[in-house]
Amino acid sequence: GAGVSQSPSNKVTEKGKDVELRCDPISGHTALYWYRQSLGQGLEFLIYFQGNSAPDKSGLPSDRFSAERTGGSVSTLTIQRTQQEDSAVYLCASSSPGTSITGELFFGEGSRLTVL
Amino acid sequence: RKEVEQDPGPFNVPEGATVAFNCTYSNSASQSFFWYRQDCRKEPKLLMSVYSSGNEDGRFTAQLNRASQYISLLIRDSKLSDSATYLCVVNQAGTALIFGKGTTLSVSS
Repeated sequence: GAGVSQSPSNKVTEKGKDVELRCDPISGHTALYWYRQSLGQGLEFLIYFQGNSAPDKSGLPSDRFSAERTGGSVSTLTIQRTQQEDSAVYLCASSSPGTSITGELFFGEGSRLTVL
Repeated sequence: RKEVEQDPGPFNVPEGATVAFNCTYSNSASQSFFWYRQDCRKEPKLLMSVYSSGNEDGRFTAQLNRASQYISLLIRDSKLSDSATYLCVVNQAGTALIFGKGTTLSVSS
């Protein structure tokens, strides 16, 4: 499809396990963002990749969280030693250059993570 | 202090009503401002940009007050289909967009 694709759509895991969430951005989009949204809460910024620049990791809540973007395209968000408070919907978005002006991020449908 | 603050609501209004949402932001270096809409259990989507001079898109009017670091969204003649959560978004060039927690609107017949 032409949109942002995320997998898995749902993930249930046990506390202490590692999880990997994948994001396939829209082809040609240079920027990629990860946010998370807990029940009834707004979007919490996690990490931002822009082209070949160093990623902005300022939103990552702890060193258990990491993300990489390979070849300027697909991104993987890894959560190590998951905790119950990590339960949330993890949303990936991509955008073309000039997003500061247009403000248009294209979001995937999210990966719903439940940590038991 | 949160970077972007919104009244969470919910705002419950009848069809045809006019409703206004407010948002304040803390970073005076913010340069771009937007409103997003998020339907229940769906991903957010851009509703409109917010310009310094104020701007309209049909029934929707957005305004920005840089001195007060305040953004507003006015919806006239509310429709049932306007029921959603409205997210205030601010941005500095070269950084990620920062979202408020959103204001929930419920329009009833």
